[in-house]
Amino acid sequence: AQTVTQSQPEMSVQEAETVTLSCTYDTSESDYYLFWYKQPPSRQMILVIRQEAYKQQNATENRFSVNFQKAAKSFSLKISDSQLGDAAMYFCAYRSGDNNDMRFGAGTRLTVKP
Amino acid sequence: DSGVTQTPKHLITATGQRVTLRCSPRSGDLSVYWYQQSLDQGLQFLIQYYNGEERAKGNILERFSAQQFPDLHSELNLSSLELGDSALYFCASSPRFSYNEQFFGPGTRLTVL
Repeated sequence: AQTVTQSQPEMSVQEAETVTLSCTYDTSESDYYLFWYKQPPSRQMILVIRQEAYKQQNATENRFSVNFQKAAKSFSLKISDSQLGDAAMYFCAYRSGDNNDMRFGAGTRLTVKP
Repeated sequence: DSGVTQTPKHLITATGQRVTLRCSPRSGDLSVYWYQQSLDQGLQFLIQYYNGEERAKGNILERFSAQQFPDLHSELNLSSLELGDSALYFCASSPRFSYNEQFFGPGTRLTVL
């Protein structure tokens, strides 16, 4: 079964600095999708960024980018120019290409210091 | 706002009771997913419906059941509730059976006393 591991329960970053959140996953499949979701104190799950496994190019969304290392099964999230509003729980998620359930990691709580 | 609505927002009940959580997907979305998030944990996939039919099942207890109605809204029924069922229950929707993004509702917080 696919598993998603986030090894950093908590991270902190200074406002305007850059932080990287780690995620590794275990799979024997070649077709899959990876996601980072943000969950602020409101508890709403917000999609931050997604990556298709067949794409070699790392996904980027404004200040958010990923480092997708398929061979290493690693999918880290880089947040540049951190803002106070980035403070939240961040979940890494995996979805198989032919299955519909998403597997989530345990989450990383990000604190942004002013 | 994702366009997915869930009611109620909060629910407090006693052990042994039965509750129903409701989800309305985004307009036009045929697929509905249910997830459970226990305190400070990641989300656990429970079940998926597509256009009224069950399509995938995850870690859903036998005391839990769900259905999707012709108007595409979905209900998650939780019965014989236990203290450990206290959690945030999310509904998500996506346009098609297999789509690479799910849109999450605001969740229903269930507290079992």
